This record gives sequence, C-alpha cells and structure tokens, in this order.
Amino acid sequence: AQSVAQPEDQVNVAEGNPLTVKCTYSVSGNPYLFWYVQYPNRGLQFLLKYITGDNLVKGSYGFEAEFNKSQTSFHLKKPSALVSDSALYFCAVRDGETGANNLFFGTGTRLTVIP
Amino acid sequence: KAGVTQTPRYLIKTRGQQVTLSCSPISGHRSVSWYQQTPGQGLQFLFEYFSETQRNKGNFPGRFSGRQFSNSRSEMNVSTLELGDSALYLCASSFMGLAGNEQFFGPGTRLTVL
Repeated sequence: AQSVAQPEDQVNVAEGNPLTVKCTYSVSGNPYLFWYVQYPNRGLQFLLKYITGDNLVKGSYGFEAEFNKSQTSFHLKKPSALVSDSALYFCAVRDGETGANNLFFGTGTRLTVIP
Repeated sequence: KAGVTQTPRYLIKTRGQQVTLSCSPISGHRSVSWYQQTPGQGLQFLFEYFSETQRNKGNFPGRFSGRQFSNSRSEMNVSTLELGDSALYLCASSFMGLAGNEQFFGPGTRLTVL
C-alpha cells in the first residue's frame, strides 16, 4: 500500500527567506513522487516530479525537491519565498512497479508567505 | 495547448438526485482520472479511464460511475446523491497514463448536495 505524510498543516515563512514543505512516503516498490500546488478555487497545478536519476529535482517557479531514499522523504524547497507562493501544497506518490496511474496524496500543507 | 476543462464549475443538487460531470482532457491525452476532494478526506482517487475502458478504480460505492468517449472526453455520474457527496470533483489527464507521467488537473466542479 502507498501513503504520503505531510506532517505540517501550516508553514509560515517571511518573504525572501528559504522555505521547506516536508513530505515522507511509503510504497512497496519504486516511488514515483510528485508535488502539486493548489490556489483558491482552482485545480491542482503540477510543480515537479521524481522518477529516477538525480536526487535533486528542479521544477516550476524556482521550486526544487530532494529525494532521500534512506529517509523516505521528498521535501519541497525554494531558496527565496514570494508572497505569491502562498497556497496549498500537496505531495503525492505512485508505486512505479504496479504501473497504476492513480496518485496517493498527502493531506496538504498550507504555506503562508508573510510580506 | 488548452488545459483540462470541466463543466459545470458549480452544481447544487438535493439528496436523492443524480448528477453528471464532464471533463475534456488536454488534446492528445488519452488517460483521464477523477478525484474527489473534501476537507475531511482530502484528495481521493475515484477511477481512471484509458481508451474508453476503466483501467483502475478507487474505493467508492457503485453510485459513482464514469465513462470515456472515443475523443477521450470523460463523464462521471453520481446517482442517489447523499449529503456526504458534497465535494470538489477534479479531473486530471495525462498523455498515456503511465506511472511516470504527471497528471494535469482541471479547475474542478464544486458539487453541493442539500
């Protein structure tokens, strides 16, 4: 079975400071990991993914994430937060060995960037 | 390329009624998945369609059903609506529906059951 944990419901960070949104996962096979962002009254917007290769993945809008197999983590990071980054962030996982397409999502972390 | 579109954006129904939601995927995408988003349960997978066939199904009752047409457009239907069906229903498309493909989401249909 697959699952994702986002341990923080809320993260506050000052504009210009680095931000981290945490995610840990559990899968039986190879983890395929994704980050999505949701703005109010909108669907989910894809940010980045890890399938294989380099552990540091770069995505849209200056976001990046680091895959850590030993800690089963895939934390989302950005060097300098913008007020416009304030939104709801979801981590998601698929088991690459099952071939199934459905995503298992975490409960989401609300990021607030304070001006 | 146009994104995933969903219609209608908002719906209000009463208990016992049925509802049909529509999704048009990104042009060329053949896989369409549906998710339910609620404050209590978060984002939950309903089902996936690929080439007009249901390929994968989540843990929802049979009142929830779907279909896909030859142009990859998809509909989902909920019969005998319950209050707990109030949610944001999200449709997502991907090129071939492979595990490594990212899904692109539509804006959702907000269903309110009174």
